[in-house]
Amino acid sequence: DAGVTQTPRHEVAEKGQTIILKCEPVSGHNDLFWYRQTKIQGLELLSYFRSKSLMEDGGAFKDRFKAEMLNSSFSTLKIQPTEPKDSAVYLCASTTGTSAETLYFGSGTRLTVL
Amino acid sequence: GEQVEQLPSILRVQERSSASINCTYENSASNYFPWYKQEPGENPKLIIDIRSNMERKQIQGLIVLLDKKAKRFSLHITDTQPADSAMYFCAAHTGANTGKLTFGHGTILRVHP
Repeated sequence: DAGVTQTPRHEVAEKGQTIILKCEPVSGHNDLFWYRQTKIQGLELLSYFRSKSLMEDGGAFKDRFKAEMLNSSFSTLKIQPTEPKDSAVYLCASTTGTSAETLYFGSGTRLTVL
Repeated sequence: GEQVEQLPSILRVQERSSASINCTYENSASNYFPWYKQEPGENPKLIIDIRSNMERKQIQGLIVLLDKKAKRFSLHITDTQPADSAMYFCAAHTGANTGKLTFGHGTILRVHP
């Protein structure tokens, strides 16, 4: 079984650019999460989808961050416009959603904004 | 919502000693408490978990304890090895009909030979 797949693994952007990160959850999983990981803030929830519906949109990130899930097997996270403070690792994760079960993480996208 | 506090943020131990990481949570409805290990450059992976109907669980050298009254849970790594060096996250799952976890801030564990 394939795990959570994220692309690209690395992304370098100039300040002000638009970048799109991609995620394919584990097949059959209903819940999908986007997290941002930094040394200072740890794991911050950006977005939470259940069966493609947006359940939670991290308040602090609404401004320039937009996550979408157009079908059950694919999600995107758009950052527009990027700022240097967005440099971080962006992790996508999925779980069955039926009860408290294991959350599976993708390998992440390391974003560097110059 | 839920808040999870995790301490310490950095933990240095000698090889073969034990290491303990502590977490507290706020929501008494939280019912599932997983621990994730993240090695450098890798994604977080589940290593052990405990549900609210248990007080203690052990998998090999990993022990988790849950004190629901105090809203506290902890991870104990016995006989640590350099390979245990990593970032560890605790998390709490709250309520029904959601897969959402609230994570602690993480603990960097360094096991010195």
